[in-house]
Amino acid sequence: NAGVTQTPKFRILKIGQSMTLQCTQDMNHNYMYWYRQDPGMGLKLIYYSVGAGITDKGEVPNGYNVSRSTTEDFPLRLELAAPSQTSVYFCASTVGQGDNSPLHFGNGTRLTVT
Amino acid sequence: KNQVEQSPQSLIILEGKNCTLQCNYTVSPFSNLRWYKQDTGRGPVSLTIMTFSENTKSNGRYTATLDADTKQSSLHITASQLSDSASYICVVSEFINTGTASKLTFGTGTRLQVTL
Repeated sequence: NAGVTQTPKFRILKIGQSMTLQCTQDMNHNYMYWYRQDPGMGLKLIYYSVGAGITDKGEVPNGYNVSRSTTEDFPLRLELAAPSQTSVYFCASTVGQGDNSPLHFGNGTRLTVT
Repeated sequence: KNQVEQSPQSLIILEGKNCTLQCNYTVSPFSNLRWYKQDTGRGPVSLTIMTFSENTKSNGRYTATLDADTKQSSLHITASQLSDSASYICVVSEFINTGTASKLTFGTGTRLQVTL
């Protein structure tokens, strides 16, 4: 199993550009999450999904959108990039059966908006 | 407001030595506490998950303890190795209804450097 795969690894955007961060998992996990990690801060939840066709906002959803058309894929869309969205983005998944399932993280996408 | 505080922020130890990292939390209602290891440039990897009734849990040279009364946890690393150099993140889960995604509060991590 590859686990959780994120692409691209790095990206530089200009203000106002848009992009999609890709995330796919091959563990048949129902629950998927997008987090951002800023220097000196704990990870913050952007959006999550409890299954195909179901998504919900997390703590910091403004400026982002998601979709979940399949169990495997959970892309994150930035429509109008802003410098405040410079961060490292992590996708994660979990079985979701009970609360004691560990999160499996991808290796992140480092995004810079200039 | 739910918070997770970790100490120290950073730590340097010699290879072979032991160390203990601390985590204090105010998350309520409590569901479980998790420790993750994050290597530079990589995603976090789960080390342990402890529920309310568990006082201690081990994963190889890593031993986590939990005192749910005082809302404190520690991660003890025995006989450190160079490969232990990483950030260690404490995460506390808030109990939500069954079938809903857990609400997790992440600490800012302790950056550990193991040197020769």
